[in-house]
Amino acid sequence: QIQLQESGPGLVKPSQTLSLSCTVSGGSVDSGGQRWSWIRQHPGKGLEWIGNIYYSGITYSNPSLRRRLRLSVDASKNLFSLMLNSVTAADTAVYYCAREPHLGAAAGIDPWGQGILVTVSS
Amino acid sequence: IQMTQSPSSLSVSVGDRVTISCRASQDIRSNLGWYQQKPGKTPKLLIYAASTLQSGVPSRFSGSGSGTDFTLTINSLQPEDFATYFCLQNYNYPLTFGPGTKVDIK
Repeated sequence: QIQLQESGPGLVKPSQTLSLSCTVSGGSVDSGGQRWSWIRQHPGKGLEWIGNIYYSGITYSNPSLRRRLRLSVDASKNLFSLMLNSVTAADTAVYYCAREPHLGAAAGIDPWGQGILVTVSS
Repeated sequence: IQMTQSPSSLSVSVGDRVTISCRASQDIRSNLGWYQQKPGKTPKLLIYAASTLQSGVPSRFSGSGSGTDFTLTINSLQPEDFATYFCLQNYNYPLTFGPGTKVDIK
């Protein structure tokens, strides 16, 4: 079964770039049929969808983050990545990667990675 | 698309029947999922397409609704069901979650 694992620094300085990767095991990022997404959760708060990427490189993202966000996929390493630039304390959150169905598909977001806490602080 | 949930929290006892509502700001057909999250844990998919139970999820969980109004029902609440529940619309981008309903022990 597919498993996802986030990796990256847990501490990022304000104004710098937050970079995370999600390694997929038990499946292939280029198998089609699904999208690969990022979701975050501010401490003690609800869930915020960041965006997703298809293996072809087509992305959809939250308008609130779009101008700072870059999503990519690397089929040779079987992983996908997130880069969020010009971070502030408001970007402090647990970041999850997940497998997401195509829009309107009769499916849910599953599985999820375990999540990685990223703190923005000097 | 804005998602709202009610109530925001509720205190219940083991064995109770729990009903959580989720409302979308526009018609999302049946493109709604329900997720359970326990403190410090990853969200878990319970129901997709408004009423389809995810494999491995106990049958005491059920979902209903379409259009703008949806319901998650937990029959005979078990100790392991104390958690926060979120709805999520996957009808249009950006995907949006409800704010959550925390179910705790009375």
